[in-house]
Amino acid sequence: AQSVTQPDIHITVSEGASLELRCNYSYGATPYLFWYVQSPGQGLQLLLKYFSGDTLVQGIKGFEAEFKRSQSSFNLRKPSVHWSDAAEYFCAVGPGTYKYIFGTGTRLKVLA
Amino acid sequence: NAGVTQTPKFQVLKTGQSMTLQCAQDMNHEYMSWYRQDPGMGLRLIHYSVGAGITDQGEVPNGYNVSRSTTEDFPLRLLSAAPSQTSVYFCASSVGTTSSYNEQFFGPGTRLTVL
Repeated sequence: AQSVTQPDIHITVSEGASLELRCNYSYGATPYLFWYVQSPGQGLQLLLKYFSGDTLVQGIKGFEAEFKRSQSSFNLRKPSVHWSDAAEYFCAVGPGTYKYIFGTGTRLKVLA
Repeated sequence: NAGVTQTPKFQVLKTGQSMTLQCAQDMNHEYMSWYRQDPGMGLRLIHYSVGAGITDQGEVPNGYNVSRSTTEDFPLRLLSAAPSQTSVYFCASSVGTTSSYNEQFFGPGTRLTVL
């Protein structure tokens, strides 16, 4: 079955610390992978995407993610977290640019 | 461009009432989708459309109808609202799989409460 797992429901980090959000997927074909961010009461904003090519992708707001086919993972990273990064983060996989399967999300709290 | 717009932003219904959530996009996107977001469950696909006149079911279609008479609009209809349909609803659009580098653009959402 196709699925996306985000094992961490909540993560708390101090401002300036590094961040890694985990995403594992189960998908039969070559996946299209995405990370979205949702601030409270807002819609979803795309952080980055991976379709093919270089397995380390750069996104907006200083985020990056690495696709590891052997581990079926697409973890999101940021070297230094800012207070404004507090939000909920969703990993998604699709056959293309529609019919996404979303993970359950990871809520990030940033301590001043 | 306004992008993807949704109306209303908030809605309260009584059990058994019907209503339509509106979604429109001005980007000439082929593909449009409806998702619902529930706490601890992420977003789940309700229905999607790959072009005007073509719709299909997603993961959780029961209790919802859609139609796509134009490229721009993709309304979601609740035929007889139930408390289990209390959720936040997001509409999304994308260019389509013919383009390699694109993604879904999401609307701001509609928060629906069914009493």
